[in-house]
Amino acid sequence: EPEVTQTPSHQVTQMGQEVILRCVPISNHLYFYWYRQILGQKVEFLVSFYNNEISEKSEIFDDQFSVERPDGSNFTLKIRSTKLEDSAMYFCASSRDRGNHEQYFGPGTRLTVT
Amino acid sequence: AQKITQTQPGMFVQEKEAVTLDCTYDTSDPSYGLFWYKQPSSGEMIFLIYQGSYDQQNATEGRYSLNFQKARKSANLVISASQLGDSAMYFCAMREANTGNQFYFGTGTSLTVIP
Repeated sequence: EPEVTQTPSHQVTQMGQEVILRCVPISNHLYFYWYRQILGQKVEFLVSFYNNEISEKSEIFDDQFSVERPDGSNFTLKIRSTKLEDSAMYFCASSRDRGNHEQYFGPGTRLTVT
Repeated sequence: AQKITQTQPGMFVQEKEAVTLDCTYDTSDPSYGLFWYKQPSSGEMIFLIYQGSYDQQNATEGRYSLNFQKARKSANLVISASQLGDSAMYFCAMREANTGNQFYFGTGTSLTVIP
């Protein structure tokens, strides 16, 4: 069964450094998403991406964040200058279309900013 | 106002018993979808079940069923015949047709199945 994959599974970085989190969505899906989950808290929407552009973003997704689909398979989240409060689990998800269909989540990348 | 409310931070259930996890939602959009996800200790999010706002019947997927009460704006998850492997966090989520693609998640319920 096809699945969303994410790399790395765990990333440790120093405050102020740039990180890139990578995701490979399910191949025939058209909509891609990033969510984050701070430890012990609920999952929060960051951004959705369709047709090579951002379709929606939340207040969390400020100028330090960017997303890109550099080729036909990868979908990346870049955090330019990490802060301690960026420490969280970051989930990538994809869905077939925009309707009320489930989003398939990847296993997550745990980002630790020290 | 919170879009999704899960009032049970933790629940315990005896193995083989049924358990209901509560979820209420808030929306003025007539078209929406309700989802339940399971998050085991390993961290991944596993889709369990979906209910559309126009669906006449409650959704069922194996041992999972969704008790959809539209007038009360509740979408409780019922797990029948609990198994030890059901121990996990459970998140209720909603997607509104008018606000696009994002999911709104609740704070989750931690379920522990006791042998």
